[in-house]
Formats: sequence, structure tokens, C-alpha cells
Amino acid sequence: AQSVAQPEDQVNVAEGNPLTVKCTYSVSGNPYLFWYVQYPNRGLQFLLKYITGDNLVKGSYGFEAEFNKSQTSFHLKKPSALVSDSALYFCAVRDFGTGRRALTFGSGTRLQVQP
Amino acid sequence: ETGVTQTPRHLVMGMTNKKSLKCEQHLGHNAMYWYKQSAKKPLELMFVYSLEERVENNSVPSRFSPECPNSSHLFLHLHTLQPEDSALYLCASSQDSGGAIDTQYFGPGTRLTVL
Repeated sequence: AQSVAQPEDQVNVAEGNPLTVKCTYSVSGNPYLFWYVQYPNRGLQFLLKYITGDNLVKGSYGFEAEFNKSQTSFHLKKPSALVSDSALYFCAVRDFGTGRRALTFGSGTRLQVQP
Repeated sequence: ETGVTQTPRHLVMGMTNKKSLKCEQHLGHNAMYWYKQSAKKPLELMFVYSLEERVENNSVPSRFSPECPNSSHLFLHLHTLQPEDSALYLCASSQDSGGAIDTQYFGPGTRLTVL
């Protein structure tokens, strides 16, 4: 079975500071990992994904994520946070070995960027 | 926006009503999904359609009935719902290439309240 853990319900960071939103995963086969962001009263917007290759993945809005196989982690990062980055962030995994198309999502982390 | 639209955006219904949620994707994808997002719970996959055939059904109660008449449209028919079914219902689509990793793109959701 595949699962995702986002250990922090909320992350607070000052504008201009670097931010990290944590994600760990568990799969039986090869993981395919995604980050999505959700603004209030909106659907999920795709930020980035890791399939294979370079462990550092760059995505939309200046976000990046680092895949670490030994730690089974896929933390989301940004060098300099903006107030407009405040939103709900979801990590998701798909276990390619199962043949299932479904994504398993974490419970979400609320990012609050203070001016 | 992502090219996936959902109507209505908000729906209030009684437990004896019958209503339908509609999703339309304008991305040329061939797979569509229904997810349920409840407060303080991870997103739950409900149904997956690929090439208009239901390929996954995650133990969803029969009071939820999906329909996929073509690759661009997906419906969720609702009848005799319970108050605990109140949630944000999200539709997503992707290009299912028989194994290639397909990013799912989400609509804005329908906020359902069951009285």
C-alpha cells in the first residue's frame, strides 16, 4: 500500500525567509511524487513532480522539491517566501508498481507567510 | 485556470433530494477522477474513469453514482445523501498513456452541503 505523511499541520515563516514543507512517503515499488497547492475556495493546482532523474525538481512559482530515496522524503522548498504563498499544500504519491492510477494524498500543510 | 470546470460551485440539498455534479475538461485528456475532500481529512479518491470505462471504485456508497458519457464529461449523481457527505467534491483529469506518469489537473470543486 502507498501512503504519504505530512508531519506539520501548519508552517509559519516570515516573508523573505526560506520555507520548507515536509513530506515522507511509503510505497512498495518506485515512487512518483507530486506537490499541489490549494488556495481558499479553489481546487488543487499542480506545482511539480518527481518521476526519475535529478533529485532536485523545479516547479511553478519558484518552488522546488528534493527527492531523497534513503529518507523516503520529498520536501517542498522555496528560497524566499512571499505572503501570496500562504495556502494549503498537499504532497501526493503514486506507486507505479501497483498499476493504479490513483494518487494518495497527505493530509495537507497550511503555510502561513507573515509580512 | 486548469481547464477543468465544475458545476455547480455550491450545492445545498436535503437528504431526500436527487442532484448531479458535472465536470468538464478542456485539456484533451482521456482519464477523469472524482475525489472527496472533507474537513481535516486527506483527499479521498472515489472513482477513476479511463477511456470512459470505470477502472477504480474505492468502496464508495451506492448513493453516489458516477457517469462518464465521453472523455470530456464526468457526472456524479447523488441521491439520499447523509449529512456526513457534506464536503468539497473535486474532479480531475489526466492523460492516461498506459503506464506513463500523467499529472492530474483539478477543477475548482463543488461545495456540497447536505441538510
